Amino acid sequence: GAGVSQSPSNKVTEKGKDVELRCDPISGHTALYWYRQSLGQGLEFLIYFQGNSAPDKSGLPSDRFSAERTGGSVSTLTIQRTQQEDSAVYLCASSLAAPGEQYFGPGTRLTVT
Amino acid sequence: GNSVTQMEGPVTLSEEAFLTINCTYTATGYPSLFWYVQYPGEGLQLLLKATKADDKGSNKGFEATYRKETTSFHLEKGSVQVSDSAVYFCALRGPEAAGNKLTFGGGTRVLVKP
Repeated sequence: GAGVSQSPSNKVTEKGKDVELRCDPISGHTALYWYRQSLGQGLEFLIYFQGNSAPDKSGLPSDRFSAERTGGSVSTLTIQRTQQEDSAVYLCASSLAAPGEQYFGPGTRLTVT
Repeated sequence: GNSVTQMEGPVTLSEEAFLTINCTYTATGYPSLFWYVQYPGEGLQLLLKATKADDKGSNKGFEATYRKETTSFHLEKGSVQVSDSAVYFCALRGPEAAGNKLTFGGGTRVLVKP
């Protein structure tokens, strides 16, 4: 069956621009997670959505980062006024329920020039 | 807060050698423990897990035992293959009250040579 998909797979943007990263979770999965994989920080949690509950935003590094999940399915991670330190691979994962096994997408590689 | 420490790589070994990747953790309560693997050009995949003390997770010849007394979850494989070349991540998930996010170690790159 279809796994978690993310788009775009690669994104190059200029410093100061806004970017949107998209995640399509596995159909029927109620929980959705965003993580960031960077050379300096390793793999770190960003935000977590579970059903209609308020999201856990405790991992967002600054107020330039935000995410939403529409209709309990697709999620968009938005980074405003991008900085070079935002360069990383952004990973999305989903699980059938929470807690549950998290299935990861292929990631979006963001490069800020 | 929660944290995971794993040995730094890269680890280079020959086919059929024994592999151990050390992982220790700090957490409140009783976390669940995981090993994830990232093959070249692919996404993260769950390799194995253990949800309580003394549990042994196993998959594809890999094993790890949840040791509460030493707060460890070392990954082992008795005879590696070239196809095991990948980056391995140890991770924990805190008790439900602490949220469902995963806390990862820094990853260990393993290269198996024929």
